Amino acid sequence: ETGVTQTPRHLVMGMTNKKSLKCEQHLGHNAMYWYKQSAKKPLELMFVYNFKEQTENNSVPSRFSPECPNSSHLFLHLHTLQPEDSALYLCASSQDGAGGGDTQYFGPGTRLTVL
Amino acid sequence: SQKIEQNSEALNIQEGKTATLTCNYTNYSPAYLQWYRQDPGRGPVFLLLIRENEKEKRKERLKVTFDTTLKQSLFHITASQPADSATYLCALFTGGGNKLTFGTGTQLKVEL
Repeated sequence: ETGVTQTPRHLVMGMTNKKSLKCEQHLGHNAMYWYKQSAKKPLELMFVYNFKEQTENNSVPSRFSPECPNSSHLFLHLHTLQPEDSALYLCASSQDGAGGGDTQYFGPGTRLTVL
Repeated sequence: SQKIEQNSEALNIQEGKTATLTCNYTNYSPAYLQWYRQDPGRGPVFLLLIRENEKEKRKERLKVTFDTTLKQSLFHITASQPADSATYLCALFTGGGNKLTFGTGTQLKVEL
């Protein structure tokens, strides 16, 4: 285990539903990340939080809303998603999100299917 | 923006041989480059980091090289084992904090 947990592991939702993904890290890190991984595509960085402050929003549609209440927890709130949003959503953490060279520790991901 | 190319076709090799995976990038040379391993249904796991001023890095059976002239990194697994079968991702530090840009990964299959 990497010290990063994600729930749920699998989620099926309709386009009108509202759901949330949860990520928790037990590593004492200060930076947390959300990535989207679609089939045959590279990981796409969505959001970065450093010391609970959002430092990166990679032009993500507003139907994805992140929340970082503290350095250990990260949420991704989902509403009115589209079928093309179906993907593996990965959370990661690192010691520092401001410098370079830090290893990122990934959770197992949430497999999201939008019907 | 930085573009990363990894061989999208699966690499099949025989157990005991050396596997060599390629990562090419198109723009400026990053300050460092990382390699991750990803198994089906799991998140990537960090393997090695190499900085722009390092030519080579080793860890047990793994070796990474970084050629800023060729804009290429090679990832080698010596004495490969079936347990090494996975997808290997190359990631470049693209500045502005700890942002990484990932390649699509190369699937390695080590056969008995």
